[in-house]
Amino acid sequence: LAKTTQPISMDSYEGQEVNITCSHNNIATNDYITWYQQFPSQGPRFIIQGYKTKVTNEVASLFIPADRKSSTLSLPRVSLSDTAVYYCLVGRDSGGYQKVTFGIGTKLQVIP
Amino acid sequence: GAVVSQHPSWVICKSGTSVKIECRSLDFQATTMFWYRQFPKQSLMLMATSNEGSKATYEQGVEKDKFLINHASLTLSTLTVTSAHPEDSSFYICSARPGHLNTEAFFGQGTRLTVV
Repeated sequence: LAKTTQPISMDSYEGQEVNITCSHNNIATNDYITWYQQFPSQGPRFIIQGYKTKVTNEVASLFIPADRKSSTLSLPRVSLSDTAVYYCLVGRDSGGYQKVTFGIGTKLQVIP
Repeated sequence: GAVVSQHPSWVICKSGTSVKIECRSLDFQATTMFWYRQFPKQSLMLMATSNEGSKATYEQGVEKDKFLINHASLTLSTLTVTSAHPEDSSFYICSARPGHLNTEAFFGQGTRLTVV
C-alpha cells in the first residue's frame, strides 16, 4: 500500500476555498486515490475518489497530476460544518477487496 | 450511498466482561468487512479483516483471542472484545465494501467502548 503524506492541520475562514494536498510517491498503477471526512465520534464518510486528472462531485473536486504522485482535494467555499479530519488514502484491489488503511489525516479548522 | 450500521453506538462495561459489537451492511452484501480502532486524537488503526465464512485476518500486534471476529453472513460481522480492560476503551469502527471493484468503503457510525 502506498504511503501518504498530508499536512497535519490547516485553518481556513468561512467562505474560502480550501485545498489539501496529499503526497503518494509510491502509488502503483492500479491504485485509486480516495478521500474521506471524519467528524469527532463518527465513522469516516466518503468524499471523492479518482484515478487521474480531475474528478468533481457535488461536494468537492479532486485534482491529480499526470504523474499521480500527489493529489489535491479542493473544498469550495467552506463552512463551519466542514471542520473535520480529512484522510487521503491510496490503495488497490487484492483478491476482490481493498484493504483500507489510514494515515494521520489533516485536521481542518474553519474559522468564522 | 450504501449504508453500514453498527450497534451499539456506545457501551460501558466492567473490567473482565466481554462486549459484542455488530456491524451490518444494510443494502448490499459484503464478503469482506474491516474492523478499526481509534484512540482520541489519533487515526484509525486497522485491526482485522473479516471474511464471510472463514477466519478473520488480524493485523500485526492485534490479539486474535482477545478480539474475536465472526462473519457468519454476507451482511453481518461481529467483534467481541473478551475480558475487557480499561486500556481497551476506544472507538471501534467497521467498514464494508460492495463487491465490485474500486468502489469506496462505507463505514459504520462507530461504537464508543468504555471499560470501567
